[in-house]
Amino acid sequence: ETGVTQTPRHLVMGMTNKKSLKCEQHLGHNAMYWYKQSAKKPLELMFVYSLEERVENNSVPSRFSPECPNSSHLFLHLHTLQPEDSALYLCASSPQTAGSTDTQYFGPGTRLTVL
Amino acid sequence: GQNIDQPTEMTATEGAIVQINCTYQTSGFNGLFWYQQHAGEAPTFLSYNVLDGLEEKGRFSSFLSRSKGYSYLLLKELQMKDSASYLCAVVDGTALIFGKGTTLSVSS
Repeated sequence: ETGVTQTPRHLVMGMTNKKSLKCEQHLGHNAMYWYKQSAKKPLELMFVYSLEERVENNSVPSRFSPECPNSSHLFLHLHTLQPEDSALYLCASSPQTAGSTDTQYFGPGTRLTVL
Repeated sequence: GQNIDQPTEMTATEGAIVQINCTYQTSGFNGLFWYQQHAGEAPTFLSYNVLDGLEEKGRFSSFLSRSKGYSYLLLKELQMKDSASYLCAVVDGTALIFGKGTTLSVSS
């Protein structure tokens, strides 16, 4: 399944590093999402983009900075992260604009470890 | 507040039937999804219920009772490949609110 791809699949970074996660969807969808999945916790919605505009920011710390240059690409820029930010970061997309009940299609995730 | 409850873990044997329950309390409701997630992989869509009743799709069925804030996922004729986490998620406004997931282990 290559509908939603994410790179890198694994990332280890120090607290002073700056890195970016990339997501690309090949499904022609209009909405894209970033989720955080930590052990023993539910998936947490971080950001929602609809037609390249951010429509939701769920009280995410400013050390996470999203960017959506077009409807097929979504980035998550990371800087001065904390060890508790270590998690699986999942990208998803859905056909229509955010807020609909469309099925979301997930990428395989980036496993992030912050040392 | 938002609350979605599912059992943390379940075990079953090949060929058996298992029911994974999900109860929810959310400020809004526009439907309920079930996703399957194998270890290290992306969640994949299983079912969507917005009206009360049972939706059947092959070996998997999903039930919803909106008045009770309750859903279940029924898996029949279990196979080893069904070992995975099963995520219940409620559509509340613009957001999809997830439960913690139920890890199902199928043994031979």
